[in-house]
Amino acid sequence: NAGVTQTPKFQVLKTGQSMTLQCAQDMNHEYMSWYRQDPGMGLRLIHYSVGAGITDQGEVPNGYNVSRSTTEDFPLRLLSAAPSQTSVYFCASSSKISGNTIYFGEGSWLTVV
Amino acid sequence: GENVEQHPSTLSVQEGDSAVIKCTYSDSASNYFPWYKQELGKRPQLIIDIRSNVGEKKDQRIAVTLNKTAKHFSLHITETQPEDSAVYFCAASIPGDDMRFGAGTRLTVKP
Repeated sequence: NAGVTQTPKFQVLKTGQSMTLQCAQDMNHEYMSWYRQDPGMGLRLIHYSVGAGITDQGEVPNGYNVSRSTTEDFPLRLLSAAPSQTSVYFCASSSKISGNTIYFGEGSWLTVV
Repeated sequence: GENVEQHPSTLSVQEGDSAVIKCTYSDSASNYFPWYKQELGKRPQLIIDIRSNVGEKKDQRIAVTLNKTAKHFSLHITETQPEDSAVYFCAASIPGDDMRFGAGTRLTVKP
């Protein structure tokens, strides 16, 4: 199993540009989420989904959009990138069957200039 | 939503000593408490977890304790080694809700 796969791993954006971070999981997990991690800080929840067609906001949702058209995919869209969105982004998935253990993707390093 | 506080933010120990990291949570409905280790430039990896029906769990040199009354839980690492140096995160989740993380503890084990 590949687990949780995110792309791209590194990206540089100009202020105002938009982009999509892709996330896919092959574990049939119903729960998927996006976190951002700023230097020296913890993981803050951006958006999450409890199943296909259902999404909800986390702690820091402003400036981001998500959709969950399939169980496997959960893309994160930056609508108009700002320097404050420079961060490392982690996609994650979990399942009640697996005891709610969260599995993280490898991370996407995003720099907005 | 749940709020998790973690202390200390940095911890430095000598190789072979023990390290203890403590977390408190706010919502008594939380029932799942994992600990993650994150090495530099890598993703967080689960190292141990505990559920609210258990008071203590041990896995080799790592143990976690949970005090539901006081709403706090702790990570204990014994006989620390340089490869234990990393950032450690605690987390708590309420059934059917999202996972909330502490701010992290940077552990340095000096040889």
